[in-house]
Amino acid sequence: SQTIHQWPATLVQPVGSPLSLECTVEGTSNPNLYWYRQAAGRGLQLLFYSVGIGQISSEVPQNLSASRPQDRQFILSSKKLLLSDSGFYLCAWRGTGGATEAFFGQGTRLTVV
Amino acid sequence: GNSVTQMEGPVTLSEEAFLTINCTYTATGYPSLFWYVQYPGEGLQLLLKATKADDKGSNKGFEATYRKETTSFHLEKGSVQVSDSAVYFCALSGNQGGKLIFGQGTELSVKP
Repeated sequence: SQTIHQWPATLVQPVGSPLSLECTVEGTSNPNLYWYRQAAGRGLQLLFYSVGIGQISSEVPQNLSASRPQDRQFILSSKKLLLSDSGFYLCAWRGTGGATEAFFGQGTRLTVV
Repeated sequence: GNSVTQMEGPVTLSEEAFLTINCTYTATGYPSLFWYVQYPGEGLQLLLKATKADDKGSNKGFEATYRKETTSFHLEKGSVQVSDSAVYFCALSGNQGGKLIFGQGTELSVKP
């Protein structure tokens, strides 16, 4: 069966420090991969998505970047965190095709102090 | 570009009341439409979906009908329970896959 792993679960980082969040998927190949941010009291904001290795689409200009070095690995990074980067970050995967279900990781609670 | 708009919450209902959460979308072509639910302390999970006009998705007593003429996908349930308290997200995907866009979420609180 397919599983998705996202870590760490919680993270407290000082302003100006770098960030690396990792997400891996097992049990499937060539998934579509997604990074979302869920700010307190708000919905899911799509940050990046990828339909293949090295193919990254950015949805909002911001202080973050994403990479997909392997088929089932998706990394969210920042060189210098801002206070406004605090939030709940969710990784998700789904198969190809518009009607397929998305499966979400457990999320990372990032607090920038 | 594609977008999804949901009614603002929170929505507070008494047990056994009728629920409607409005969702409208803007999209080119023929998108697939979804409702996801996030229970307290848990991740998102698919509630139901519809892939073409006039399709009705249903699950756990919830229903939503894909209305292309009104670009809507409203979520309904005839009799809510306390256990339905959660945040509900409407979502859209183009028919080629790729981008999956969510609405802002609607928090539902059901009181006994």
